[in-house]
Amino acid sequence: QSALTQPPSASGSPGQSVTISCTGSSSDVGGHIYVSWYQQHPGKAPKLIIYEVNKRPSGVPDRFSGSKSGNTASLTVSGLRPEDEADYYCTSNAGSNNVFGTGTKVTVL
Amino acid sequence: QITLKESGPTLVRPTQTLTLTCTLSGFSLTTPGEGVGWFRQPPGKAPEWLALIYWDDDARYSPFLKTRLMVTKDTSKNQVTLTLTNMDPMDAAMYYCAHRLMTTVNAYDYWGQGALVTVAS
Repeated sequence: QSALTQPPSASGSPGQSVTISCTGSSSDVGGHIYVSWYQQHPGKAPKLIIYEVNKRPSGVPDRFSGSKSGNTASLTVSGLRPEDEADYYCTSNAGSNNVFGTGTKVTVL
Repeated sequence: QITLKESGPTLVRPTQTLTLTCTLSGFSLTTPGEGVGWFRQPPGKAPEWLALIYWDDDARYSPFLKTRLMVTKDTSKNQVTLTLTNMDPMDAAMYYCAHRLMTTVNAYDYWGQGALVTVAS
């Protein structure tokens, strides 16, 4: 199955912003609004932080925001905090399947 | 408060069948709209969606695993069971169950802690 493409790593200093891209195709990311993002700390289960491109579940800080343009979705983390250091995965519905991105490790310098 | 917990064997032999149970708390699969998904994640790799079962027994499967996968539910026990046949070392992973966010598609807002499965003879 074709995974969505994410940069392997991204970094920023505390207080700065970092943006992660997630590139797919018109069959997945570009075809609808069902793009979600998960944050995963080492040894923990994924945590939903964005769904339907730009919606935040209850309790997720507004420092996390999502957007989409064509076949590429993006996650922006503003005002970086040390606890934001984690792996981030995008995922999109793709017809009868749900595909994940390759993952991006965010480092807070 | 919604919680999910996976249980099952930590070691499975090649060609055997894996059976994992997800015990639910804080919600019921008798409620219209509810659903539980299954995922797996090999060490150091991205998660992979496996299946989703709805309150009405409708089940969806990954097209790449659908011939080997089955998900069922037992509402009297508040449990969902995943069965994966013909296990291979490539199936070794952390297996998670998760609660489907009811208002949308492909979003899961509560996850279990995971069950680590090794495949070896």
